[in-house]
Amino acid sequence: SVLTQSPGTLSLSPGERATLSCRASQSVSSSYLAWYQQKPGQAPRLLIYGASTRATGIPDRFSGSGSGTDFTLTISRLEPEDFAVYYCQQYGTSPEYTFGQGTKLELK
Amino acid sequence: EVKLVESGGGLVKPGGSLRLSCAGSGFTLSNHYMNWVRQAPGKGLEWVSSISSNSRYIYYTESVKGRFTISRDNAKNSLYLHMSSLRAEDTAVYYCARDLRRVALDLWGQGTMVTISS
Repeated sequence: SVLTQSPGTLSLSPGERATLSCRASQSVSSSYLAWYQQKPGQAPRLLIYGASTRATGIPDRFSGSGSGTDFTLTISRLEPEDFAVYYCQQYGTSPEYTFGQGTKLELK
Repeated sequence: EVKLVESGGGLVKPGGSLRLSCAGSGFTLSNHYMNWVRQAPGKGLEWVSSISSNSRYIYYTESVKGRFTISRDNAKNSLYLHMSSLRAEDTAVYYCARDLRRVALDLWGQGTMVTISS
């Protein structure tokens, strides 16, 4: 299954709401859909797993939703530190993990 | 502190070999599947390989099968990736990552850069 993220780049200002999309070419179990944040020069950080469960220490302004082939990561009110690249990921078989191509959230 | 630290990256000629290491601390690595994920310069994330806690189950992405070997030493809380027949397209930052119940990767190292060039 291929994951396609949109938009490629999202330009917003602090305080605004961000909505990032991840579409799978085949239906994905919600249990196996995750989101990551990656800042320049840093490793990815797990934000959301199971489509909607926040990982340890992740602020509640981050939320995930969706099912089937359409999933969404929402950041309710952007903080300056939220500007980064975001990846969705699915767990499957051969390959075990597949990532989307990423959405860059940039400062407007 | 719970962390993973990779080492062993460097510049290698095409066709050469390299072994990456990943040391875990602050948690018991033997309780987890572990993974290697890579990221080519300016590109996205690509899963490379997984190994079960007892090394019984091992998986690779198609492009590295027959060239890369994942292994672990639970007594040393360490994960390894032996890479051979290296190609230019293997150039990337290689991350080790802890598996969260086979659904996501919840702990990542800082990465080690591997450059394949003549």
